[in-house]
Amino acid sequence: GQQVMQIPQYQHVQEGEDFTTYCNSSTTLSNIQWYKQRPGGHPVFLIQLVKSGEVKKQKRLTFQFGEAKKNSSLHITATQTTDVGTYFCAAPFLRSGYALNFGKGTSLLVTP
Amino acid sequence: DTGVSQDPRHKITKRGQNVTFRCDPISEHNRLYWYRQTLGQGPEFLTYFQNEAQLEKSRLLSDRFSAERPKGSFSTLEIQRTEQGDSAMYLCASSLTSGGTSTDTQYFGPGTRLTVL
Repeated sequence: GQQVMQIPQYQHVQEGEDFTTYCNSSTTLSNIQWYKQRPGGHPVFLIQLVKSGEVKKQKRLTFQFGEAKKNSSLHITATQTTDVGTYFCAAPFLRSGYALNFGKGTSLLVTP
Repeated sequence: DTGVSQDPRHKITKRGQNVTFRCDPISEHNRLYWYRQTLGQGPEFLTYFQNEAQLEKSRLLSDRFSAERPKGSFSTLEIQRTEQGDSAMYLCASSLTSGGTSTDTQYFGPGTRLTVL
């Protein structure tokens, strides 16, 4: 599968600060997806990026896909306590193109 | 609730016992996936079905694991002769074929947490 590495593993911010998590692959990805998992919950789909250099925004969340389609980032502006959770990037398995290979995730803690 | 459901939500078993989990996908979804997640890790792919056909299996899926989706609707995942290393959250997801260059959006169920004593 297309392995994806995520950094940082943990991030602790004060409410109102910005947050960024990065996802990297040694191979070109066909697309990349981002999921959020709240503590005790299950992964919830956030977005999919397909095109080289693509940038998508969802309110305070900005997602980018690198020009070489080997890296991606998720940036949250002015974090809120509701942003707490683990953010995963995921890329499809090369063979099937359907099952996903998840990164280890970045756990975000936001203190008021 | 029309989301993905899984049963049971929690299972505690003794080493060596067999366990079976069930997943009911979103009704019109033709693809169904099983993942395993351990603490501090992302979900790891186990296997997936398109309708009733099992199209791919991960190397993580040892011969003690078997999955079925007999009528292309619900699926079961059985683990025989459980080991302590099987303790994990078993997640099911489903999707509807979207085609093109994009990958289906996968909708995850709440998971079954397995503890092997």
